[in-house]
Amino acid sequence: DGGITQSPKYLFRKEGQNVTLSCEQNLNHDAMYWYRQDPGQGLRLIYYSQIVNDFQKGDIAEGYSVSREKKESFPLTVTSAQKNPTAFYLCASSFDSYEQYFGPGTRLTVT
Amino acid sequence: GQSLEQPSEVTAVEGAIVQINCTYQTSGFYGLSWYQQHDGGAPTFLSYNALDGLEETGRFSSFLSRSDSYGYLLLQELQMKDSASYFCAVNLQAGTALIFGKGTTLSVSS
Repeated sequence: DGGITQSPKYLFRKEGQNVTLSCEQNLNHDAMYWYRQDPGQGLRLIYYSQIVNDFQKGDIAEGYSVSREKKESFPLTVTSAQKNPTAFYLCASSFDSYEQYFGPGTRLTVT
Repeated sequence: GQSLEQPSEVTAVEGAIVQINCTYQTSGFYGLSWYQQHDGGAPTFLSYNALDGLEETGRFSSFLSRSDSYGYLLLQELQMKDSASYFCAVNLQAGTALIFGKGTTLSVSS
């Protein structure tokens, strides 16, 4: 089955630790995206990548880093510099940017 | 800056019709997308308008007026399973990321 997967579904970390969220797709999409969603809020763009080995910052990139070494994979690292990391993180991919396919999300809690 | 405005909440009963509006002020505009998200789930794509007019997909339709910087999502024959959040999103340029509104929570009651 084609799709986009994120792991883990729930993640708990102590403040001050870096954590990496996984995102994998087998849809053969060139573009991949990371969004953050806070309760009652819309999706805010963290980073996106239109092609392997290239990525652009979104509106809230500070405290996050990404890599795009393979077409299928776009991991997101939440660093200790991110002041409010507790959130729901959604990864997406697309052929055309207007129709994005989302993974199930990772709910990160930092205490 | 970029802004998309949509109502925060809408309520309706089963079988009714509901319209969710979206107005946008953005530095560019290539098209308007709509997504549905059930509580705790992943957003799913519903429709896209690049040109003025109405696009119909089953019970859902979406409308765009580029001159008014306005669009809406129309949901007909509402069902309980339509209770969800609905997001409008602007595509500033082809191939770039979307800018999402804050979402409208639709509650459908029997």
